[in-house]
Amino acid sequence: DVKVTQSSRYLVKRTGEKVFLECVQDMDHENMFWYRQDPGLGLRLIYFSYDVKMKEKGDIPEGYSVSREKKERFSLILESASTNQTSMYLCASSLLRWAWRADGYTFGSGTRLTVV
Amino acid sequence: QQPVQSPQAVILREGEDAVINCSSSKALYSVHWYRQKHGEAPVFLMILLKGGEQKGHEKISASFNEKKQQSSLYLTASQLSYSGTYFCGTAPYQKVTFGTGTKLQVIP
Repeated sequence: DVKVTQSSRYLVKRTGEKVFLECVQDMDHENMFWYRQDPGLGLRLIYFSYDVKMKEKGDIPEGYSVSREKKERFSLILESASTNQTSMYLCASSLLRWAWRADGYTFGSGTRLTVV
Repeated sequence: QQPVQSPQAVILREGEDAVINCSSSKALYSVHWYRQKHGEAPVFLMILLKGGEQKGHEKISASFNEKKQQSSLYLTASQLSYSGTYFCGTAPYQKVTFGTGTKLQVIP
Protein backbone atom coordinates (compact mmCIF):
# COMPACT_ATOMS: atom_id res chain seq x y z
CA ASP A 1 0.00 0.00 0.00
CA VAL A 2 1.06 3.53 -0.73
CA LYS A 3 1.89 5.38 2.39
CA VAL A 4 1.79 9.13 2.71
CA THR A 5 3.18 10.25 6.03
CA GLN A 6 2.80 13.69 7.53
CA SER A 7 5.30 14.49 10.21
CA SER A 8 2.92 15.95 12.82
CA ARG A 9 -0.67 15.15 13.67
CA TYR A 10 -1.17 18.27 15.80
CA LEU A 11 0.81 21.48 15.82
CA VAL A 12 0.40 24.72 17.77
CA LYS A 13 2.36 27.76 16.62
CA ARG A 14 2.45 31.44 17.44
CA THR A 15 1.50 34.24 15.08
CA GLY A 16 4.48 35.32 12.99
CA GLU A 17 6.38 32.05 13.33
CA LYS A 18 7.74 30.28 10.26
CA VAL A 19 6.11 26.86 10.09
CA PHE A 20 7.21 23.77 8.17
CA LEU A 21 4.84 20.91 7.41
CA GLU A 22 6.52 17.81 6.06
CA CYS A 23 5.10 15.08 3.86
CA VAL A 24 6.79 11.89 2.67
CA GLN A 25 5.45 9.25 0.28
CA ASP A 26 7.03 5.85 -0.31
CA MET A 27 5.68 4.74 -3.71
CA ASP A 28 7.65 6.81 -6.17
CA HIS A 29 4.70 9.02 -7.12
CA GLU A 30 5.49 11.95 -9.38
CA ASN A 31 2.68 14.21 -8.18
CA MET A 32 2.35 15.64 -4.69
CA PHE A 33 -0.22 18.09 -3.37
CA TRP A 34 -1.02 20.23 -0.36
CA TYR A 35 -4.66 20.92 0.49
CA ARG A 36 -6.25 22.63 3.42
CA GLN A 37 -9.59 21.48 4.76
CA ASP A 38 -12.00 23.79 6.53
CA PRO A 39 -15.60 23.12 7.62
CA GLY A 40 -18.05 23.98 4.87
CA LEU A 41 -15.31 24.73 2.35
CA GLY A 42 -14.12 21.23 1.50
CA LEU A 43 -10.55 20.68 0.38
CA ARG A 44 -8.81 23.57 -1.32
CA LEU A 45 -5.56 23.20 -3.22
CA ILE A 46 -2.64 25.28 -1.99
CA TYR A 47 0.25 24.03 -4.16
CA PHE A 48 1.19 21.00 -6.14
CA SER A 49 4.34 19.55 -7.64
CA TYR A 50 4.66 17.16 -10.56
CA ASP A 51 8.42 16.68 -10.34
CA VAL A 52 11.43 17.46 -8.19
CA LYS A 53 11.99 21.21 -7.92
CA MET A 54 8.80 21.85 -9.94
CA LYS A 55 5.78 23.51 -8.34
CA GLU A 56 2.58 25.18 -9.35
CA LYS A 57 0.21 27.38 -7.42
CA GLY A 58 -3.17 26.04 -6.56
CA ASP A 59 -6.28 28.01 -5.72
CA ILE A 60 -5.13 29.57 -2.41
CA PRO A 61 -1.31 29.95 -2.44
CA GLU A 62 -1.12 33.29 -0.63
CA GLY A 63 0.94 33.10 2.53
CA TYR A 64 2.41 29.69 1.64
CA SER A 65 5.41 28.35 -0.20
CA VAL A 66 6.61 24.82 -0.93
CA SER A 67 9.80 22.90 -1.43
CA ARG A 68 10.45 19.65 -3.23
CA GLU A 69 14.13 18.76 -3.20
CA LYS A 70 13.57 15.00 -3.37
CA LYS A 71 10.88 13.04 -5.17
CA GLU A 72 9.46 11.51 -2.01
CA ARG A 73 9.30 14.67 0.10
CA PHE A 74 7.08 17.74 -0.27
CA SER A 75 7.19 20.50 2.32
CA LEU A 76 4.67 23.25 2.94
CA ILE A 77 6.01 26.44 4.47
CA LEU A 78 4.00 29.12 6.18
CA GLU A 79 6.32 32.10 5.94
CA SER A 80 4.71 34.05 8.79
CA ALA A 81 1.86 32.15 10.39
CA SER A 82 -1.40 33.94 10.94
CA THR A 83 -4.54 32.94 12.81
CA ASN A 84 -6.49 32.55 9.55
CA GLN A 85 -4.13 29.74 8.63
CA THR A 86 -5.48 27.62 11.47
CA SER A 87 -6.75 24.57 9.61
CA MET A 88 -6.34 20.89 8.79
CA TYR A 89 -3.60 20.42 6.20
CA LEU A 90 -3.67 17.34 4.00
CA CYS A 91 -0.87 16.10 1.81
CA ALA A 92 -1.61 13.79 -1.13
CA SER A 93 0.30 12.03 -3.85
CA SER A 94 -0.62 10.40 -7.15
CA LEU A 95 0.97 8.57 -10.00
CA LEU A 96 1.54 10.37 -13.29
CA ARG A 97 -0.03 7.48 -15.24
CA TRP A 98 -1.64 9.57 -17.98
CA ALA A 99 -0.70 13.10 -18.98
CA TRP A 100 -4.30 14.10 -19.61
CA ARG A 101 -6.04 12.89 -16.47
CA ALA A 102 -5.34 12.52 -12.80
CA ASP A 103 -4.89 9.15 -11.14
CA GLY A 104 -6.47 8.54 -7.75
CA TYR A 105 -4.92 10.38 -4.83
CA THR A 106 -3.53 8.85 -1.66
CA PHE A 107 -3.84 11.19 1.29
CA GLY A 108 -1.85 11.48 4.47
CA SER A 109 -3.62 11.56 7.83
CA GLY A 110 -3.38 15.33 8.06
CA THR A 111 -1.82 17.92 10.33
CA ARG A 112 -4.15 20.01 12.43
CA LEU A 113 -2.42 23.35 12.79
CA THR A 114 -3.52 25.92 15.33
CA VAL A 115 -2.01 29.40 15.17
CA VAL A 116 -2.42 31.41 18.36
CA GLN B 1 -14.63 26.91 -9.37
CA GLN B 2 -15.53 24.12 -6.96
CA PRO B 3 -18.08 21.54 -8.08
CA VAL B 4 -21.38 21.69 -6.24
CA GLN B 5 -22.56 18.68 -4.27
CA SER B 6 -26.07 17.87 -3.13
CA PRO B 7 -27.42 17.11 -0.66
CA GLN B 8 -25.12 18.64 1.93
CA ALA B 9 -26.13 16.01 4.48
CA VAL B 10 -28.26 12.90 4.60
CA ILE B 11 -29.26 10.39 7.27
CA LEU B 12 -30.11 6.83 6.25
CA ARG B 13 -31.22 3.72 8.02
CA GLU B 14 -29.21 0.59 7.36
CA GLY B 15 -30.31 -1.01 4.10
CA GLU B 16 -31.63 2.19 2.52
CA ASP B 17 -30.27 3.67 -0.69
CA ALA B 18 -28.86 7.14 -1.34
CA VAL B 19 -27.73 9.26 -4.25
CA ILE B 20 -25.16 12.04 -4.03
CA ASN B 21 -24.90 14.46 -6.91
CA CYS B 22 -21.98 16.50 -8.15
CA SER B 23 -22.25 19.19 -10.81
CA SER B 24 -19.76 21.54 -12.37
CA SER B 25 -19.99 24.80 -14.28
CA LYS B 26 -16.89 23.77 -16.22
CA ALA B 27 -16.48 20.97 -18.74
CA LEU B 28 -15.60 17.74 -17.00
CA TYR B 29 -12.81 15.48 -18.18
CA SER B 30 -12.93 13.10 -15.27
CA VAL B 31 -14.60 12.86 -11.88
CA HIS B 32 -13.12 11.44 -8.69
CA TRP B 33 -15.04 10.22 -5.66
CA TYR B 34 -13.57 9.96 -2.14
CA ARG B 35 -14.92 9.06 1.29
CA GLN B 36 -13.59 10.52 4.52
CA LYS B 37 -14.46 9.03 7.89
CA HIS B 38 -14.34 11.25 10.93
CA GLY B 39 -10.76 11.96 11.98
CA GLU B 40 -9.28 10.05 9.06
CA ALA B 41 -7.79 10.84 5.66
CA PRO B 42 -9.99 10.83 2.54
CA VAL B 43 -9.91 7.50 0.75
CA PHE B 44 -10.13 7.19 -3.02
CA LEU B 45 -13.20 5.29 -4.25
CA MET B 46 -13.20 5.60 -8.03
CA ILE B 47 -12.55 7.68 -11.13
CA LEU B 48 -15.01 8.15 -13.97
CA LEU B 49 -14.08 9.29 -17.43
CA LYS B 50 -15.87 11.02 -20.27
CA GLY B 51 -18.34 8.77 -22.09
CA GLY B 52 -21.02 8.11 -19.49
CA GLU B 53 -18.94 5.50 -17.76
CA GLN B 54 -20.37 3.80 -14.74
CA LYS B 55 -18.13 2.13 -12.22
CA GLY B 56 -18.61 0.29 -8.99
CA HIS B 57 -16.89 -0.25 -5.70
CA GLU B 58 -18.54 -2.74 -3.31
CA LYS B 59 -22.20 -1.65 -3.34
CA ILE B 60 -21.24 1.85 -4.35
CA SER B 61 -21.42 2.85 -7.98
CA ALA B 62 -21.29 6.09 -9.91
CA SER B 63 -22.21 7.58 -13.25
CA PHE B 64 -20.84 10.46 -15.25
CA ASN B 65 -22.83 12.54 -17.72
CA GLU B 66 -20.39 14.83 -19.50
CA LYS B 67 -23.11 16.69 -21.42
CA LYS B 68 -24.84 17.70 -18.23
CA GLN B 69 -21.48 18.13 -16.49
CA GLN B 70 -22.75 15.97 -13.66
CA SER B 71 -21.80 12.87 -11.76
CA SER B 72 -23.85 10.87 -9.29
CA LEU B 73 -22.73 8.44 -6.60
CA TYR B 74 -25.16 5.61 -5.76
CA LEU B 75 -25.03 3.82 -2.43
CA THR B 76 -27.27 0.77 -2.29
CA ALA B 77 -28.29 -1.23 0.76
CA SER B 78 -26.26 1.11 2.95
CA GLN B 79 -24.18 -0.25 5.80
CA LEU B 80 -23.00 1.46 8.99
CA SER B 81 -19.50 1.50 7.52
CA TYR B 82 -20.68 3.84 4.75
CA SER B 83 -20.96 6.73 7.18
CA GLY B 84 -18.63 9.59 6.41
CA THR B 85 -18.25 12.60 4.20
CA TYR B 86 -18.20 12.02 0.46
CA PHE B 87 -16.30 14.35 -1.83
CA CYS B 88 -16.41 14.57 -5.56
CA GLY B 89 -13.50 16.07 -7.41
CA THR B 90 -13.16 17.29 -10.96
CA ALA B 91 -9.91 17.18 -12.84
CA PRO B 92 -8.51 18.37 -16.06
CA TYR B 93 -5.00 16.91 -16.10
CA GLN B 94 -3.33 16.23 -12.77
CA LYS B 95 -4.94 18.44 -10.17
CA VAL B 96 -8.31 17.79 -8.58
CA THR B 97 -10.75 20.48 -7.45
CA PHE B 98 -12.98 19.12 -4.70
CA GLY B 99 -16.56 19.88 -3.81
CA THR B 100 -17.56 20.88 -0.30
CA GLY B 101 -18.69 17.38 0.60
CA THR B 102 -21.84 15.45 1.53
CA LYS B 103 -22.07 14.17 5.08
CA LEU B 104 -23.71 10.75 5.15
CA GLN B 105 -24.80 9.12 8.39
CA VAL B 106 -26.13 5.57 8.46
CA ILE B 107 -28.03 4.63 11.58
CA PRO B 108 -29.18 1.16 12.78
